[in-house]
Amino acid sequence: EPEVTQTPSHQVTQMGQEVILRCVPISNHLYFYWYRQILGQKVEFLVSFYNNEISEKSEIFDDQFSVERPDGSNFTLKIRSTKLEDSAMYFCASSARTTNTGELFFGEGSRLTVL
Amino acid sequence: RKEVEQDPGPFNVPEGATVAFNCTYSNSASQSFFWYRQDCRKEPKLLMSVYSSGNEDGRFTAQLNRASQYISLLIRDSKLSDSATYLCVVNPGNNRKLIWGLGTSLAVNP
Repeated sequence: EPEVTQTPSHQVTQMGQEVILRCVPISNHLYFYWYRQILGQKVEFLVSFYNNEISEKSEIFDDQFSVERPDGSNFTLKIRSTKLEDSAMYFCASSARTTNTGELFFGEGSRLTVL
Repeated sequence: RKEVEQDPGPFNVPEGATVAFNCTYSNSASQSFFWYRQDCRKEPKLLMSVYSSGNEDGRFTAQLNRASQYISLLIRDSKLSDSATYLCVVNPGNNRKLIWGLGTSLAVNP
């Protein structure tokens, strides 16, 4: 069964360092997303990406964050200068639909710990 | 009123019990609705889409009540493996971001 894959599964970094989280969405999917979840809290939307551009972003997704689809398969989330409060599980998701529906397939997540 | 509201629980039920969760939403123009399941420290997984006419998948039944602006999830003959957090997700339409509930925690006990 096709799946969304994410790397690394866990990253520990020092405050102020740059982090890149990588995702390979399901190959024929069109919509891509990054979400995060702080331990014990709700799933929070960061950004959606469609047709090689950001379609929507949340207030969390400030100038420290960026996304890229550099080679047609990978979908990356970069955090330029990490803060303690960026510690969370980051989930990548993709959808086969041409519009933003709710049928998302999630990767297993990348746990980011900022010290 | 919160955009999407769920009773966080936890709901503790014995194996074989029937349990139901509700989720209320504030935007009457919301287009579509979903239930996701999330195991501890794992990714959310789509459980069911919720159709206007209601839908059933094995032991799981989802219903939509547009007049009262809530969706429900009924689990019959609950299994130990049903223990998880059940997330209500609302698509507000116009290609805007999905709105996620905080989730309802279910523990099925032997």
